Amino acid sequence: QVQLVQSGAEVKKPGASVKVSCKASGYTFTNYGFGWVRQAPGQGLEWMGWISAYNGNTNYAQKLQGRVSMTTDTSTSTAYMELRSLTSDDTAVYYCARGLIAFQITNGFDPWGQGTLVTVSS
Amino acid sequence: DIQMTQSPSSLSASVGDRVTITCRASQSISSYLNWYQQKPGKAPKLLIYAASSLQSGVPSRFSGSGSGTDFTLTISSLQPEDFATYYCQQTYSTPPFTFGPGTKVGIK
Repeated sequence: QVQLVQSGAEVKKPGASVKVSCKASGYTFTNYGFGWVRQAPGQGLEWMGWISAYNGNTNYAQKLQGRVSMTTDTSTSTAYMELRSLTSDDTAVYYCARGLIAFQITNGFDPWGQGTLVTVSS
Repeated sequence: DIQMTQSPSSLSASVGDRVTITCRASQSISSYLNWYQQKPGKAPKLLIYAASSLQSGVPSRFSGSGSGTDFTLTISSLQPEDFATYYCQQTYSTPPFTFGPGTKVGIK
């Protein structure tokens, strides 16, 4: 079955970087795009950006431009999200999610990874 | 960016009730509207895509409607496992694909 498994929880100091992985299985990796979404404690869902696993095209949320990078490794069917210059405002659960339909991202995202808690604290 | 609003922000209902949640976009998004259910400590789950298409495996008591700027999610007969937070998300044209603020459905 289609499954996304994310890397484990991280604790980082302010100013550091974090890289979250999302390993996919059960389908042809390059046929789908990935969205990345985060959720601060007790808050709603925040769109971070998107990457095509087909050609590596990306689109990032404006508020994260310059701090976020999304990549894929087709040899291991893994998507990555790196966030730099962390502050306490970046403390959140980070989710990867696959586009529902091949070569499209306009019909929602499913499935989702289990989430990765990133805590930024001095 | 397209802004999304939801109403109500929370509601209390009983098992068996019909529940309706509304989502509004700041500009027309055609039918590019998706609904997710999230339970505490869990990842969101896609319920409805393209405004009214039921995702595989989702019970038929869930339905979606609307187009343009106004959309609704309806649960025809609320079940105990439906108590959760519901989010709408627009996926019109190009990203950012913004989410609504969420509607928490609680037990009356």
